[in-house]
Amino acid sequence: KQEVTQIPAALSVPEGENLVLNCSFTDSAIYNLQWFRQDPGKGLTSLLLIQSSQREQTSGRLNASLDKSSGRSTLYIAASQPGDSATYLCAVIQGLADSWGKLQFGAGTQVVVTP
Amino acid sequence: SAVISQKPSRDICQRGTSLTIQCQVDSQVTMMFWYRQQPGQSLTLIATANQGSEATYESGFVIDKFPISRPNLTFSTLTVSNMSPEDSSIYLCSVESRGAMLQYFGPGTRLTVL
Repeated sequence: KQEVTQIPAALSVPEGENLVLNCSFTDSAIYNLQWFRQDPGKGLTSLLLIQSSQREQTSGRLNASLDKSSGRSTLYIAASQPGDSATYLCAVIQGLADSWGKLQFGAGTQVVVTP
Repeated sequence: SAVISQKPSRDICQRGTSLTIQCQVDSQVTMMFWYRQQPGQSLTLIATANQGSEATYESGFVIDKFPISRPNLTFSTLTVSNMSPEDSSIYLCSVESRGAMLQYFGPGTRLTVL
């Protein structure tokens, strides 16, 4: 059974510092991995999607890496801003026919960026 | 991308009653999913809403408790039946873009059961 773990559970940094969020998964037979952002009272916003054959994806200040063999992904957020304060979730989709589209989530990392 | 709306956005219900949550998408999608997020927890998949056939439930979730309808490719409902305080959660629907790649989520329905 796939287990997705995110460390740390919470993180507080001053504005301008870089953020490093970690995600690990126990079963490396994934189809893809997706990073989401969740704001209080709102749904989830997709940030980055990494296919199992890819090593990283970048979007603006965000960079996500994937090491499938070791079961790890890291989300880097450069030059953090107070608007980056949110809970960040990683989720995987298994590479099995009956797992099509089914996301398995980690517990999330709650980030606070102080001005 | 897909724009998803959910109704209601929040509700407070009495024990033993039922609530139906609606999910509307602005475009036709193949796959729709319902997730639950209990307080302080991450998201757990409840079921896949299949158009024209019965929903597919994950382990620990049953149709009698969470009946789901999917009458067309843009709409689905989730009913939380015979509610107890343990059902207090945020319920979210999601849809997948083509090829089960990016997924988009609705804003969620925050349910409190007294």
